Amino acid sequence: DADVTQTPRNRITKTGKRIMLECSQTKGHDRMYWYRQDPGLGLRLIYYSFDVKDINKGEISDGYSVSRQAQAKFSLSLESAIPNQTALYFCATSDPNPSGTGGTDTQYFGPGTRLTVL
Amino acid sequence: AQSVAQPEDQVNVAEGNPLTVKCTYSVSGNPYLFWYVQYPNRGLQFLLKYITGDNLVKGSYGFEAEFNKSQTSFHLKKPSALVSDSALYFCAVRDRGSTLGRLYFGRGTQLTVWP
Repeated sequence: DADVTQTPRNRITKTGKRIMLECSQTKGHDRMYWYRQDPGLGLRLIYYSFDVKDINKGEISDGYSVSRQAQAKFSLSLESAIPNQTALYFCATSDPNPSGTGGTDTQYFGPGTRLTVL
Repeated sequence: AQSVAQPEDQVNVAEGNPLTVKCTYSVSGNPYLFWYVQYPNRGLQFLLKYITGDNLVKGSYGFEAEFNKSQTSFHLKKPSALVSDSALYFCAVRDRGSTLGRLYFGRGTQLTVWP
């Protein structure tokens, strides 16, 4: 979805380096999410934010941190990257109260960042 | 606890044949159910969702899904598969009683449609 962008799209780094992945959205949604995708494991939630002042850990937050700089921007950091953080990372956004959708909070995803930690 | 199972890692069908991608779920309350599709080198795209009402939900690209409460299933279907439908499909569930908006995803099913 072009309304949700992620940078970089691909990144190769070394163990111990600090990495930041960025997500921007023009959908005007308050809620934003970071997931990682590993083959055969589906998507797992790292962190989520319901507004600029609200940040929550997901199921696999260890080794990650986030920053919600504005409604439209949500960054994910790996303070000291390790090889098992090699994965595909997705940002998503949602609106809990969109008209005509019954409040289902449908999530819309960015194109992903492929991160390789050597 | 919420969980989603996609029992088939891979589904192969011939073009023009009907396809089914299976999904079963477990939630503590009543579910919202979703299907997403992921094409190579792309993010997840929303296909369809079940909120309430008619158990047969129609979505994008000719896909539909049938909600079966007694079997806790939400199988994705298409009457006539296209080669361009080949992609990775994810089922997801959300407890409608939760304010968190948290989605639980299955592991994904790789659909391959042969010409």
